[in-house]
Amino acid sequence: SQQGEEDPQALSIQEGENATMNCSYKTSINNLQWYRQNSGRGLVHLILIRSNEREKHSGRLRVTLDTSKKSSSLLITASRAADTASYFCATRSYTNAGGTSYGKLTFGQGTILTVHP
Amino acid sequence: DTEVTQTPKHLVMGMTNKKSLKCEQHMGHRAMYWYKQKAKKPPELMFVYSYEKLSINESVPSRFSPECPNSSLLNLHLHALQPEDSALYLCASSQEGQSGANVLTFGAGSRLTVL
Repeated sequence: SQQGEEDPQALSIQEGENATMNCSYKTSINNLQWYRQNSGRGLVHLILIRSNEREKHSGRLRVTLDTSKKSSSLLITASRAADTASYFCATRSYTNAGGTSYGKLTFGQGTILTVHP
Repeated sequence: DTEVTQTPKHLVMGMTNKKSLKCEQHMGHRAMYWYKQKAKKPPELMFVYSYEKLSINESVPSRFSPECPNSSLLNLHLHALQPEDSALYLCASSQEGQSGANVLTFGAGSRLTVL
């Protein structure tokens, strides 16, 4: 089943405003990560938060995690036109294959962020 | 070197063709991944190789055949594909271990069109 449902599906803001994206998931996780994808390109890792952490910062990014609600949010402060991209949350969980446990990263549906200059 | 390199960037093939997508990394990462991404959708995991052994196959049709010749290379062999297989195919790598965080470094992708 698909982990990580995000909202909003699309977000349009003006430069300088803050952008908040939310992610919900269904099963136990080891960590939750956020990735960014410019149109038609590969994904770039932004930030990781472990299941025992509640908040993390990196530059203009702030991510929170509420494991009791199985949800996370990504806040981008003072947005820039260059922040225009799709943002995906990804949850890391374990899957068993042949009796061995492997980490597996599953992506949410994503939020398309447009920042207008 | 902190890159994952994918070739070709674009590939057009007929349903009877046999082609391959290639992926290379020199970061010493021990896990490599193939993801498939359709337009406006998230990447979907296809295969995971850990220490050069196939560890996860997400019930991918046999017309997709992965190969990991060594720890730096990952191939995806394509045969008898269908038009619905047209997508962006993303390769990624990560440092792997049971306690690994699975932080992925992605390539730029190979855009596949099946006619």
